[in-house]
Amino acid sequence: DGGITQSPKYLFRKEGQNVTLSCEQNLNHDAMYWYRQDPGQGLRLIYYSQIVNDFQKGDIAEGYSVSREKKESFPLTVTSAQKNPTAFYLCASSRTGNYGYTFGSGTRLTVV
Amino acid sequence: QKEVEQNSGPLSVPEGAIASLNCTYSDRVSQSFFWYRQYSGKSPELIMSIYSNGDKEDGRFTAQLNKASQYVSLLIRDSQPSDSATYLCAVNEKDSGYSTLTFGKGTMLLVSP
Repeated sequence: DGGITQSPKYLFRKEGQNVTLSCEQNLNHDAMYWYRQDPGQGLRLIYYSQIVNDFQKGDIAEGYSVSREKKESFPLTVTSAQKNPTAFYLCASSRTGNYGYTFGSGTRLTVV
Repeated sequence: QKEVEQNSGPLSVPEGAIASLNCTYSDRVSQSFFWYRQYSGKSPELIMSIYSNGDKEDGRFTAQLNKASQYVSLLIRDSQPSDSATYLCAVNEKDSGYSTLTFGKGTMLLVSP
């Protein structure tokens, strides 16, 4: 079955440490997205990519980095510059155009 | 800053009733509108999309769009306890030629048996 896979499900980060969240899709979607969700908050866009080797900053890109070397993969790195990284991170993909997104199951990141 | 507004709720309805969820948006050029359902601790799941003014029905769900009023709603008929979740409204917006979805904060729906 086609889908979008995020790993790990839970991740713990120490202060000053960079961590990378994985996102892989086999839906043959061109576009991929990273959102962050905090308790009681909506989804906020971190980065998005419409094609391989190209990506754009979203509303809250500071302290994050991404790469898009393959159509299927869009990993997100949470750097030590991100001062409040504890959140639920959601990866999504879609066909190019005005289509809805398919979400992965999410990664819950906690700073310890 | 383009905005999508929803009442946070909770909206409480008895089983079998109609639940009405509302959403307003600020970007007049938005063309696509979506409703997602999110159970606690889970990721959002797309349940409805609507692109033109009027109503769109799918099973127990009806999405309504009024672009002149910048208003989109979701009706859930014959509400079930399993419908208890947070419902997110999403609106597409264009920035520098790219289209992305902006989400509201969601309305929590509680359906009591």
